[in-house]
Amino acid sequence: GEDVEQSLFLSVREGDSSVINCTYTDSSSTYLYWYKQEPGAGLQLLTYIFSNMDMKQDQRLTVLLNKKDKHLSLRIADTQTGDSAIYFCAESMDSSYKLIFGSGTRLLVRP
Amino acid sequence: DTEVTQTPKHLVMGMTNKKSLKCEQHMGHRAMYWYKQKAKKPPELMFVYSYEKLSINESVPSRFSPECPNSSLLNLHLHALQPEDSALYLCASSQEEGHDEQFFGPGTRLTVL
Repeated sequence: GEDVEQSLFLSVREGDSSVINCTYTDSSSTYLYWYKQEPGAGLQLLTYIFSNMDMKQDQRLTVLLNKKDKHLSLRIADTQTGDSAIYFCAESMDSSYKLIFGSGTRLLVRP
Repeated sequence: DTEVTQTPKHLVMGMTNKKSLKCEQHMGHRAMYWYKQKAKKPPELMFVYSYEKLSINESVPSRFSPECPNSSLLNLHLHALQPEDSALYLCASSQEEGHDEQFFGPGTRLTVL
């Protein structure tokens, strides 16, 4: 079955690193995504990783994938107040292009 | 132009009204999507159009009727909605239906009285 889980809330101090975690159940996931949603706005794709990769780095963002544990994480270095938002992980499979979203993690960055 | 626009931003309607949500993109994308997002929940896929043809209908009630009049426009016609249909309705588009990046619009916040 398809199920994606995230912790609901994370609070960090400005300048610290943030790590947002996600677990998924379907081992046939092909692509895994991280989206950001600011209040009252749509979703913005931050980064994605293919299931045959372990890590992807893009400026302040680092995605780690542990296929054995079906665990995905997003690390944001030097977190800024503008990073405060809800972060969704999502998966899709080759058999279905449908995006399955996690419940979202609300990141609060304290000055 | 890398933007998906949606109108209106907010909509309040009664259960007997008929209204439409509109979505537009000029990126040449051939796949367009409607999602429904309830408060504090993730988006849920409703419909996918690929090359102006309905590709996926996620068992959405018939009171929601999608329409894709051309490759740039996507409408969602609403009729006889229920209060539980109140939500943020998000439109997205991608180059093709598949794993291409989906660009999301800002959404229409719908309230059904």
